Amino acid sequence: GENVEQHPSTLSVQEGDSAVIKCTYSDSASNYFPWYKQELGKRPQLIIDIRSNVGEKKDQRIAVTLNKTAKHFSLHITETQPEDSAVYFCAASKHNAGNMLTFGGGTRLMVKP
Amino acid sequence: EAQVTQNPRYLITVTGKKLTVTCSQNMNHEYMSWYRQDPGLGLRQIYYSMNVEVTDKGDVPEGYKVSRKEKRNFPLILESPSPNQTSLYFCASKQGGNTGELFFGEGSRLTVL
Repeated sequence: GENVEQHPSTLSVQEGDSAVIKCTYSDSASNYFPWYKQELGKRPQLIIDIRSNVGEKKDQRIAVTLNKTAKHFSLHITETQPEDSAVYFCAASKHNAGNMLTFGGGTRLMVKP
Repeated sequence: EAQVTQNPRYLITVTGKKLTVTCSQNMNHEYMSWYRQDPGLGLRQIYYSMNVEVTDKGDVPEGYKVSRKEKRNFPLILESPSPNQTSLYFCASKQGGNTGELFFGEGSRLTVL
């Protein structure tokens, strides 16, 4: 089955700096790659996603890039703010996969004011 | 309001005492799933259901049962809980297909003594 690895497991940045979280996946048939943000004590929520027919997608301060050849995708957060502090999960999915989403192990991002 | 509701939110129980965590969604979603979240391991899928009366094992199904008698409900049953099932559990739902947002419940923190 699919295996998703996520790095780093923890990331500390200064407010205003950029943060990058990277994920690799194993199944070349995967075609959908969402990112979820989980604030402390809350449920995970979708923040951005990308499909395999697109190389990059941006939404204000967050962007995701996908390299299908290398089977990796990354989340980029620019101008980080304290409210960006959370655990971020990447995931991968493919069409007709009953188990839908395979998640990475998560990255705890801490933005220091 | 569109939501996924889990109960109980917190539970402390003892080894071997059967328990059920309920999950209900009001979005008419076809797909429902249970995950457990443990530090460093991300979100691991326990069971999922593609539709009424259709359920299947995820990555870590041992010690759990589920049922899907109605579209809106997807209870998680621990017939004989053990301490290694101490975890944070999330129910989630989405529309059919492998893309689109997975909506999570608020989580149920279970402790098995």
